[in-house]
Amino acid sequence: SYVVTQPPSVSVAPGKTARVTCGGNNIGSKSVHWYRQKPGQAPVVVMFYDYDRPSGIPERFSGSNSGNTATLTISRVEAGDEADYYCHVWDRISDHVVFGGGTKLTVL
Amino acid sequence: EVQLLESGGGFVQPGGSLRLSCVASGFTLSDYAMTWVRQAPGKGLEWVSSLSGRHDKSWNADSAKGRFTISRDNSKNTLYLQMNSLRVEDTAVYYCAKGTEDTVATTLHYFDFWGQGTLVTVSS
Repeated sequence: SYVVTQPPSVSVAPGKTARVTCGGNNIGSKSVHWYRQKPGQAPVVVMFYDYDRPSGIPERFSGSNSGNTATLTISRVEAGDEADYYCHVWDRISDHVVFGGGTKLTVL
Repeated sequence: EVQLLESGGGFVQPGGSLRLSCVASGFTLSDYAMTWVRQAPGKGLEWVSSLSGRHDKSWNADSAKGRFTISRDNSKNTLYLQMNSLRVEDTAVYYCAKGTEDTVATTLHYFDFWGQGTLVTVSS
């Protein structure tokens, strides 16, 4: 079945830009959705349809998707952005919902 | 306000069974696809099973096929996951998630609301 790959961890200093990637074969042809999960909490959607933000998610969050990589970009990172981030796609070949393995974002 | 409240988790021995419930409020369950997602301790999210809104079509992860059954009671606005032949590796927090479409079988579908989860522990 379709595999999406995320880096296990990303570290960034406050105020800098964090980029969390989600790699997959021709993932640019799919819509990618992103979820943030803080410790002890349920996931929350932070980006859908590659680059659309739900209400309540700050403009510092943006998304892109092209070729074999989708990217969640967080600008002017704050301590409150520290969390695990997961990408999600639908694989029509296997009829499976697919999650990436997750990326732990650490704010230094 | 959309709310999802899971229950039914607990401790069970290998080979045993559990039925998880997810009571939905603030929307009509049968209008949307609903999904169970699990998370083993210290691990990432793993899709388990989904059920379409209007047509009772289901999709299942390979780990769930033949053992888990997803269903819905529209009169109670409640989603279920019947889990049989449980294994130690099924130990996880199980989340109920609401979809944005009637079906998960589209790239346009994503999960816009999640419950707080219920813990299932399988151990001898």
